[in-house]
Amino acid sequence: AQSVTQLGSHVSVSEGALVLLRCNYSSSVPPYLFWYVQYPNQGLQLLLKYTTGATLVKGINGFEAEFKKSETSFHLTKPSAHMSDAAEYFCAVSDRKVGSNSGYALNFGKGTSLLVTP
Amino acid sequence: NAGVTQTPKFQVLKTGQSMTLQCAQDMNHEYMSWYRQDPGMGLRLIHYSVGAGITDQGEVPNGYNVSRSTTEDFPLRLLSAAPSQTSVYFCASSPGQGAWEQYFGPGTRLTVT
Repeated sequence: AQSVTQLGSHVSVSEGALVLLRCNYSSSVPPYLFWYVQYPNQGLQLLLKYTTGATLVKGINGFEAEFKKSETSFHLTKPSAHMSDAAEYFCAVSDRKVGSNSGYALNFGKGTSLLVTP
Repeated sequence: NAGVTQTPKFQVLKTGQSMTLQCAQDMNHEYMSWYRQDPGMGLRLIHYSVGAGITDQGEVPNGYNVSRSTTEDFPLRLLSAAPSQTSVYFCASSPGQGAWEQYFGPGTRLTVT
């Protein structure tokens, strides 16, 4: 099964600084990759996704991620952090198998908690 | 559209009790799934369904049952609750057919004493 590793369970940045959240995946087939955000006591919201095509993917709230096959990475970035970006971020990979019913299941990383300081 | 809805939001059970967590979606999505979220563990797949009448096990299915009699509803049953099932449960749905992203409900926070 495909898996995801998120480096750093907690990341702290200053307001206005660059946000970089790291995600590496393992996969034997071209993956579908996702970033989700979870605000306290809420469900998960899709930030962006990579399926095929352009490797630089833009999402909501100014976030973007780049799929790098050679590095098996899908890091999430934002040029300038806002206080409202403080949340838990999850990277996920689709356990996509041709002809398999489990193709839609997502394997999640353990999450990275982003703290934004004034 | 209400999207994915879950009830109840909170529940406290005693060990050995049974209950059903409700999940419904109004987007006509084929695929639905249940995850549990525990601190430091991310989300883990419990059961999923690719359409009415079709269900299958995920990573952590023990102690849970599901059925899918309609496209809209996908209830999760705890047969005999145990403290290890204390968790936050999320239901999700996906359109399928090449659209791989999943849409999540607000969650149910379950405590088993």
